[in-house]
Order: sequence, then structure tokens, then C-alpha cells
Amino acid sequence: GENVEQHPSTLSVQEGDSAVIKCTYSDSASNYFPWYKQELGKRPQLIIDIRSNVGEKKDQRIAVTLNKTAKHFSLHITETQPEDSAVYFCAASRPIRDDKIIFGKGTRLHILP
Amino acid sequence: DAEITQSPRHKITETGRQVTLACHQTWNHNNMFWYRQDLGHGLRLIHYSYGVQDTNKGEVSDGYSVSRSNTEDLPLTLESAASSQTSVYFCASSGGGTGGIPYEQYFGPGTRLTVT
Repeated sequence: GENVEQHPSTLSVQEGDSAVIKCTYSDSASNYFPWYKQELGKRPQLIIDIRSNVGEKKDQRIAVTLNKTAKHFSLHITETQPEDSAVYFCAASRPIRDDKIIFGKGTRLHILP
Repeated sequence: DAEITQSPRHKITETGRQVTLACHQTWNHNNMFWYRQDLGHGLRLIHYSYGVQDTNKGEVSDGYSVSRSNTEDLPLTLESAASSQTSVYFCASSGGGTGGIPYEQYFGPGTRLTVT
């Protein structure tokens, strides 16, 4: 089955700097790669996702890149702000009808003042 | 507005008791999922369902069961609660997908379960 590895487990960056979180997956049939943000005591919420036919996607300060050949994808947050402090999860999913999502173990992002 | 709810939000139970956690969604989504979240393990899939009368085991299904009698609900039952099942449980739903690509999953607010 699918296995998703996420690094680092903890990341501290100065406010205003960029943060990068990296993930690898094992199943070449996976075609959907969402990223979820979870604030303390809250539910995970989707912040951005990428489909396998796209190499990069941006949404304001957040971008995700996908390298299908190498089976890795990354989340980039630029100009980090205090409200970016949270746990971030990457995930991978196979096509519909088998769309159970397998999550990485998460990255706790600390934005330092 | 459509939503996904879980009840109870907090539960304390004793070892050996049967416990049922409720999950209800009003999006009319076919796909529903149960996860547990533990420090150092992220979100792990327990069971999932693609429609009424359909249930499937996830990666950590031992000691848990689900049933799907209607589209809106997927209750999770712990047959005989164990201390190792102390965790935060999240239910999620999704509407399937299009063009072979799944739609996003929407998560409920979570249930914190403590087994003493």
C-alpha cells in the first residue's frame, strides 16, 4: 500500500522567511496530493492540493510542487506570518473509488518573532 | 449550510466497555472515513465507506467496526475499549471526484476519547 514520508517533523523559521516541507510517496498510481493545516485543537483543513497532471500550483503565499518521476512533492510558504504556526500534513491518494488518503506524520511549524 | 458533525466531543470510558462515536454529514457525500490522531503518528485511517452497506478496513482497524445504513452517518464502534485506543478521532467525508481525481475530504471537529 501507499506510504507517505514527511520531513522535517519540526521546523522553526523567523517571521518573514520562507518555510519548505517535503514529502515522498511510494505508490506510482497516486494522483492527488493535498496539504492540510491543523491549528491547535482544531480539525485539519485543506490549504492547497495538486493533481498529478500539474507540476506546480500557487495560491498567494503558498505553493506546492510535484515531481512524479521522483515521487516527491513539497509545500512552500513564503513571507511567513505568526498565523502560519500550525501542524501541516501532506497526503497522497489513488484515483477515485480507491480514494482513501494516506497522510504523512506531520510537520509542526513554529514562526519565531 | 452543509456540515459534518461528531458526537460526543469528549468521552471518558473504562477498559472493556463498548463505545460508539457518531459522525453525521449533510453534504450527501458517498465517501466517509474515520481516522485516529496520535502524537508522532499523524492521521491513521481506521475504516472507510464508499456508500450505503459498503465498509472497508484501513491501516489500523483492529478493535474497531463501522456500519453504513444511510448516506449521512458512519458510526464507529470500539467493541471492547483498550487504553491503547485513547486518542483523538476524526471523521471525514468526500463527494467522490471527477476525471479520475478525488475531491477533497472535509473533516469533522473530532472526538477526544480517553480509556481508563
